[in-house]
Amino acid sequence: EVQLVESGGRSVQPGESLRLSCATSGFTFSNYWMHWVRQAPGRGPVWVSRINSDGTIINYADSVKGRFTISRDNANNTLSLQMNSLRAEDTAVYYCARDRILGATLENWFDPWGQGTLVTVSS
Amino acid sequence: DIQMTQSPSSVSASLGDRVTITCRASQGVSSWVAWYQQKPGRAPKLLIYAASYLQSGVPSRFSGSGSGTDFTLTISSLQPEDFATYYCQQASSFPQTFGQGTKLEIK
Repeated sequence: EVQLVESGGRSVQPGESLRLSCATSGFTFSNYWMHWVRQAPGRGPVWVSRINSDGTIINYADSVKGRFTISRDNANNTLSLQMNSLRAEDTAVYYCARDRILGATLENWFDPWGQGTLVTVSS
Repeated sequence: DIQMTQSPSSVSASLGDRVTITCRASQGVSSWVAWYQQKPGRAPKLLIYAASYLQSGVPSRFSGSGSGTDFTLTISSLQPEDFATYYCQQASSFPQTFGQGTKLEIK
């Protein structure tokens, strides 16, 4: 069974840093593009970042560029998101998601998703 | 960024009803649209990709259509487990963007 399990979310103050992790199992992690998607309370999902199978291609949404860093550890089947200079508007549930299809092709269809981890940024 | 606008924002329907949700892109996205279902406290689930392709394991009562700027998700006969919020998403242009959601409620 394919599983993605996020961790690391908690309440922090503006300007602080946080590192999220996504532990995966049930598929060959090193064969897939991976994504982070966030969802603020009561809002639609918003794509945050993506990384290709070997970590050589990385993209970010403008809203997090320069503050967030995505990375992956293919030996340990883990995806990470380092979040610095956090702002109130970063408050959301953060999901890791796999691209639907394996290989070098990028579809940007997200399947499956983890259960999410809540990040709250408030003073 | 491409804006994805869903309508209606909420809809009430009964078991067995046929329901259609629409999504309009602010510019043409060819067939690069997906639909997701989300239940309270759960992650979104992929239903349809590339406008009309049913994701593996999704019941055949779900179908998608459209191209260019106008897209629809149809549920042919509502089942109890279908009451949820539905989102469209475009993957034609970076960054990929989602609609604001359509909440499907029991009448």
